[in-house]
Amino acid sequence: EAGVAQSPRYKIIEKRQSVAFWCNPISGHATLYWYQQILGQGPKLLIQFQNNGVVDDSQLPKDRFSAERLKGVDSTLKIQPAKLEDSAVYLCASSLVLALQETQYFGPGTRLLVL
Amino acid sequence: AQKITQTQPGMFVQEKEAVTLDCTYDTSDQSYGLFWYKQPSSGEMIFLIYQGSYDEQNATEGRYSLNFQKARKSANLVISASQLGDSAMYFCAMREPGKGGKLIFGQGTELSVKP
Repeated sequence: EAGVAQSPRYKIIEKRQSVAFWCNPISGHATLYWYQQILGQGPKLLIQFQNNGVVDDSQLPKDRFSAERLKGVDSTLKIQPAKLEDSAVYLCASSLVLALQETQYFGPGTRLLVL
Repeated sequence: AQKITQTQPGMFVQEKEAVTLDCTYDTSDQSYGLFWYKQPSSGEMIFLIYQGSYDEQNATEGRYSLNFQKARKSANLVISASQLGDSAMYFCAMREPGKGGKLIFGQGTELSVKP
């Protein structure tokens, strides 16, 4: 079974530029998460989708970040314009259902450096 | 308030020995789930073990076991017979019901296994 796919793996941009990340979850997984992991910290949830609807985006900086999950499968996360503090690893995860014990499976992440 | 606390930024262990990574949590819910993930230098978060708050027995998965002490709100990870490949960051995480399914992560512990 294929895991969670993410691209690109690395991205370097200058501040005020825009960038987009792509995620393809495990086949059949209804729930998709985007986490931001700043160096030296644990991941923090940015947004969560259930199929193509948003469940939680309370920690998404909506003035610059946007995300969508068209057709309830793959998802894109966009930053426009980027700031220096957006430098982080962006992790996508998916789970089969929304349940307390359900394991979230993570992709390899996209490492973003904003100069 | 910090929900998940991992007080050991770094740990060393000799190959083939056991090691305990500490995790304490804070919640007012009676029902919750606790997870441990491993993050190698490649960046992907790898699920290790799960403990439900109502599980009477400590969870075990191969060389990994979870020392769950509910009254103390601790969920320490025990790795037996450490291997060189166990060198990585380890994150403790909690999920609370009704909070959309997101994982709340601790700061992580970097484990180094010495030959």
